Amino acid sequence: DIQMTQSPSTLSASVGDRVTITCRASQSISSWLAWYQQKPGKAPNLLIYKASSLQSGVPSRFSGSGSGTGFTFTISSLQPDDFATYYCQQYDSYPLTFGGGTQVEIK
Amino acid sequence: EVLLVQSGGGLVEPGGSLRLSCAASGFTFDDHAMHWVRQAPGKGLEWVSGISWNSGSIGYADSVKGRFTISRDNAKNSLYLQMNSLRAEDTALYYCAKVRLRHSSSWYFDYWGQGSLVTVSS
Repeated sequence: DIQMTQSPSTLSASVGDRVTITCRASQSISSWLAWYQQKPGKAPNLLIYKASSLQSGVPSRFSGSGSGTGFTFTISSLQPDDFATYYCQQYDSYPLTFGGGTQVEIK
Repeated sequence: EVLLVQSGGGLVEPGGSLRLSCAASGFTFDDHAMHWVRQAPGKGLEWVSGISWNSGSIGYADSVKGRFTISRDNAKNSLYLQMNSLRAEDTALYYCAKVRLRHSSSWYFDYWGQGSLVTVSS
């Protein structure tokens, strides 16, 4: 199974900050990586697919990069609506696996 | 508008069975693979199972293999998860999720159901 290691697990930031989350795969997954945002009591929401492609309707302050085993998710200027938990997911092969999540908190 | 409406959760004793359903609308259901993802209370996301658009390809997490069965009825635009031999560690909120691309094996999800809570306890 491919293990997805996400860091940090918690991040404290202020509105306007640039936020970066990393996700590392235990083996190469090419660019088969997605990023989701989840708010309490809600289902996850797709933000990024194929490592760097922005899902339709998602603000351009969200971006992703990387390939192989190392990936980065960035929020260029954190907005109040962005305080949530973020997950990476590999879809290179079964079983699909998610990172442990990064909770972005208000500093 | 794409909608995934789930039903079938509840409280069940260890060793019991439960069937989850996911009724889809707003898209051509039989063009898209569908999956189940769960989230234990206060924990992260865990993939459970997936089924291709034509049921030709099915996968399960090791943790549920042999106990859970995924199926779909394209005539009824519905996805199912039959859960047998349930354990306390199966307690979670179960989501159905739609794969974004038609006839695709790129299994990432653009729409999710509202979640069905399954509690396994005596």
